[in-house]
Amino acid sequence: KNEVEQSPQNLTAQEGEFITINCSYSVGISALHWLQQHPGGGIVSLFMLSSGKKKHGRLIATINIQEKHSSLHITASHPRDSAVYICAVIPFGNEKLTFGTGTRLTIIP
Amino acid sequence: EPEVTQTPSHQVTQMGQEVILRCVPISNHLYFYWYRQILGQKVEFLVSFYNNEISEKSEIFDDQFSVERPDGSNFTLKIRSTKLEDSAMYFCASSVETWGSPLHFGNGTRLTVT
Repeated sequence: KNEVEQSPQNLTAQEGEFITINCSYSVGISALHWLQQHPGGGIVSLFMLSSGKKKHGRLIATINIQEKHSSLHITASHPRDSAVYICAVIPFGNEKLTFGTGTRLTIIP
Repeated sequence: EPEVTQTPSHQVTQMGQEVILRCVPISNHLYFYWYRQILGQKVEFLVSFYNNEISEKSEIFDDQFSVERPDGSNFTLKIRSTKLEDSAMYFCASSVETWGSPLHFGNGTRLTVT
């Protein structure tokens, strides 16, 4: 069983739609990262969370430590948001970032 | 904005050959990491490095792998005798703190072993 599960695996939406990507994990964590992987392969860190909620532009990330769940929301989605979004956690007591399999998001103009 | 840079962007090598992947982390960062992503699979942790020594490594990081920070700027991953299954994208990353600060990734080196 994967320690980090993401849903959905694939998501296609129209430009302007509100997007939600979910991440569930099974271990106690120090922090959770949301990452964006571009079609060319490069990875960009979007958020690092250990509690609560963070917002950056049209992106919002939330985490519920008790429920071991995090969500990434994109408001007013745009075709340039098309990418793979990856949830990754740092389990307590080590530095081994454990990655989800990613959610492939496609925004259609 | 400072970046993590990786060279080369693509490396092709024959099975059994040694390869060295190079990374220049952000200058004030203290923690350095290598990850790999086999095509179509999720990203996997390989190793973390702090204070000139390995602080964590995964089961993947066997005796064929080594890391080094030979000077104040470079951080290298060496694979001694490459296998076909080492073909993957290798990402270097750095951070100021071990888990309390964002990770900065390089653009990756695509290693193809033939």
